[in-house]
Amino acid sequence: EPEVTQTPSHQVTQMGQEVILRCVPISNHLYFYWYRQILGQKVEFLVSFYNNEISEKSEIFDDQFSVERPDGSNFTLKIRSTKLEDSAMYFCASSETSQTNEQFFGPGTRLTVL
Amino acid sequence: GNSVTQMEGPVTLSEEAFLTINCTYTATGYPSLFWYVQYPGEGLQLLLKATKADDKGSNKGFEATYRKETTSFHLEKGSVQVSDSAVYFCALKDGNEKLTFGTGTRLTIIP
Repeated sequence: EPEVTQTPSHQVTQMGQEVILRCVPISNHLYFYWYRQILGQKVEFLVSFYNNEISEKSEIFDDQFSVERPDGSNFTLKIRSTKLEDSAMYFCASSETSQTNEQFFGPGTRLTVL
Repeated sequence: GNSVTQMEGPVTLSEEAFLTINCTYTATGYPSLFWYVQYPGEGLQLLLKATKADDKGSNKGFEATYRKETTSFHLEKGSVQVSDSAVYFCALKDGNEKLTFGTGTRLTIIP
């Protein structure tokens, strides 16, 4: 069964460093998403991406964040200069269309900023 | 804006007990409602959904009914199993692409 994969499963970085979180969405899906969950808090929407551009983003998704689909399979989230409060679990998701309602999620990357 | 409030966890039950995890929502429109489940080490998986008022979503013995009058979508199961131990997330989608989630409820079933 096709699934969304994410790498790495755990990333530890120093404050101020750049990190890139990687995701491989399901191959025939057209919409891609990033969510995050700070420990003990809600899963929060960050950004959605369609047709090689951002279609929606939240207030959290400021200039420190960027997304890219560098090739036909990967979808990445970059944080340019990490802050302590960026420590969270980051989930990637994909869906065939925005109208099908079901988003398929990856297992998440736990980011720890020291 | 939209929001989802769900029962605080953790919840611990004995096998074969009845389960209810409460979920209420606030939305400006007429959202679709979802329950996602996360098993240890895995991603969020869609458990069930309902797209309009009075719809009942069901899967793997779990049920939830979309109640517009009480803005609720409570998750129920008549007889839980150890394999149901997971984190359960209530969520809504209101016309746009993003899902709005609750905080998640960790469920542990003991034999």
